[in-house]
Amino acid sequence: EIVLTQSPATLSLSPGERATLSCRASQSVSSYLAWYQQKPGQAPRLLIYDASTRAAGIPARFNGTGSGTDFTLTISGLEPEDFAVFYCQHRNNWPLTFGGGTKVEIK
Amino acid sequence: EVQLLESGGGLVQPGGSLRLSCAASGFTFSSYAMSWVRQAPGKGLEWVAAVTGTGGHTFYADSVKGRFTISRDNSKNTLYLQINSLRAGDTAVYYCAKVRGTPVTTYYFDFWGQGTLVTVSS
Repeated sequence: EIVLTQSPATLSLSPGERATLSCRASQSVSSYLAWYQQKPGQAPRLLIYDASTRAAGIPARFNGTGSGTDFTLTISGLEPEDFAVFYCQHRNNWPLTFGGGTKVEIK
Repeated sequence: EVQLLESGGGLVQPGGSLRLSCAASGFTFSSYAMSWVRQAPGKGLEWVAAVTGTGGHTFYADSVKGRFTISRDNSKNTLYLQINSLRAGDTAVYYCAKVRGTPVTTYYFDFWGQGTLVTVSS
């Protein structure tokens, strides 16, 4: 099973600042990685897939990079609605797994 | 508009069983793989199971293999999850999720239901 480790666990930032979230895989997942955003009481929302492709309707301030074992989600210029928990997920092989999440909170 | 509506959750005793359902609409259900993902209270996401569009292939997390069965009825546009031998650790919100991509299936989840809560307790 591929383990996805997300860091930091919590990121405290102000609106307008840049957020940089990390996801590290225990073995290569090629570019088969997605990012999701989840707000309290809501279902997750797909943001990025195949490491760097934005899903439909996702603003350009969300940017995914990386391949192999190291991936980054960058949010350039945090909007008030961006504060949430973010998860990475791989689809390289079975079983699919998610990372433990990074909470982006208002400083 | 894609809609996924889960039902069937509730309070069940350890060792009990439940069948969760997910009614889908707004897309050609039989063309897409589907999946269940769960989230224990205050915890992260855990992938549980997936099934191909035809229902011919199923995949499971090791933690549920042998106890959970995913299935679908394409004539009813409905996804199911049969959960047996329930344990306290199965307490979670169970989400139904549509898998992105057809005919090439990518096993990313582009639409999610609002979830149904399963509580295992005596």
